[in-house]
Amino acid sequence: EPEVTQTPSHQVTQMGQEVILRCVPISNHLYFYWYRQILGQKVEFLVSFYNNEISEKSEIFDDQFSVERPDGSNFTLKIRSTKLEDSAMYFCASSQGGATGGSNQPQHFGDGTRLSIL
Amino acid sequence: DQQVKQNSPSLSVQEGRISILNCDYTNSMFDYFLWYKKYPAEGPTFLISISSIKDKNEDGRFTVFLNKSAKHLSLHIVPSQPGDSAVYFCAASASTQGGSEKLVFGKGTKLTVNP
Repeated sequence: EPEVTQTPSHQVTQMGQEVILRCVPISNHLYFYWYRQILGQKVEFLVSFYNNEISEKSEIFDDQFSVERPDGSNFTLKIRSTKLEDSAMYFCASSQGGATGGSNQPQHFGDGTRLSIL
Repeated sequence: DQQVKQNSPSLSVQEGRISILNCDYTNSMFDYFLWYKKYPAEGPTFLISISSIKDKNEDGRFTVFLNKSAKHLSLHIVPSQPGDSAVYFCAASASTQGGSEKLVFGKGTKLTVNP
């Protein structure tokens, strides 16, 4: 069964450094997402991406964050200057589509990247 | 932000019995609901979903019930198996014109199925 893959599984970075988290969504999916889960808290939406542009972003997704689909397969999340509070599990997800056209499609998640900021 | 609530942090059942996991929501704009299962060190795995135009959806041992008037949904697992032991997340989304709907998650319920 096709799956979403994320690399690396664990990233340790010094505060203030840039970090790039990588994701390969399921190949025929059109919608891409990033979520994060801080230890002990809920999974939170960060950003959605469709047709090479951001569809929606949360308050968490400030100017320090950016997303890119540099080629036909990868989807990346960049944090420019990491802060201690960015430490979390970051999950990438993809779906074939949403309610447009009348059929909801589930989002499928990768296994996440654990980001630790020192 | 408590739009999706799972009030039971944990549930323990015997193998072969029914597991019932509950979820409440407050946002009446939600029209699509999903259940995910999560094992440690893995991402959420999609289990089953239901659209707001239905009140029940069944897939094998898993059934999701939706009560729109009560803003409540539940996941039934029958019969429960030890391999079902995991954290179960309820999630909801509201349709948008753009088609990419963000998911709002509950905090999860840890299910333990005892042999």
